Amino acid sequence: DAGVIQSPRHEVTEMGQEVTLRCKPISGHDYLFWYRQTMMRGLELLIYFNNNVPIDDSGMPEDRFSAKMPNASFSTLKIQPSEPRDSAVYFCASSSTGFGNQPQHFGDGTRLSIL
Amino acid sequence: AQTVTQSQPEMSVQEAETVTLSCTYDTSESDYYLFWYKQPPSRQMILVIRQEAYKQQNATENRFSVNFQKAAKSFSLKISDSQLGDAAMYFCAYRPRTASKLTFGTGTRLQVTL
Repeated sequence: DAGVIQSPRHEVTEMGQEVTLRCKPISGHDYLFWYRQTMMRGLELLIYFNNNVPIDDSGMPEDRFSAKMPNASFSTLKIQPSEPRDSAVYFCASSSTGFGNQPQHFGDGTRLSIL
Repeated sequence: AQTVTQSQPEMSVQEAETVTLSCTYDTSESDYYLFWYKQPPSRQMILVIRQEAYKQQNATENRFSVNFQKAAKSFSLKISDSQLGDAAMYFCAYRPRTASKLTFGTGTRLQVTL
């Protein structure tokens, strides 16, 4: 079975550029989560969706960040304009339900470096 | 606010030995779920084991088991017969029954030596 698929795996770009991270959740999973991992702050939830609808975006750091889920099999996290402090590993995860003991299944992450 | 604390930034274990990673959490909820995730150098987050707070029996998955102490709000992970492939960052995570958000600890880096 295909897991959560993220692209690109690595992204290096200069500050001020627009960055788009992509995620394909596991088929049939109704919940999709975006996390950011840094040494200083660990794993932080940025936003999550249920049935393509954003439910909680309180973790999105600022207006430069936006996330969309146009359909059940695709989501994007966009940063515009990007800044060096956005450098981190960004994970997408999905789960069949948002509650209960069903775990979140993670993608391999995108390592983002903003120069 | 719920918090998850992993007080051991790094641990080391010899191959074939047993090691225990600590995790404590703070919550006012009575019903919740706890998870341990493994993150090897490949960066992928892999579920190791999960525990429902309403279950008194400790979860076990092959060489991995937990010691869940609800009153003490403690959820430690025991790895038996450690293998080189167990070397990774291990994250403890908490989720209330009625919420979707996972709260992670800061992680413990486990080194496995020959």
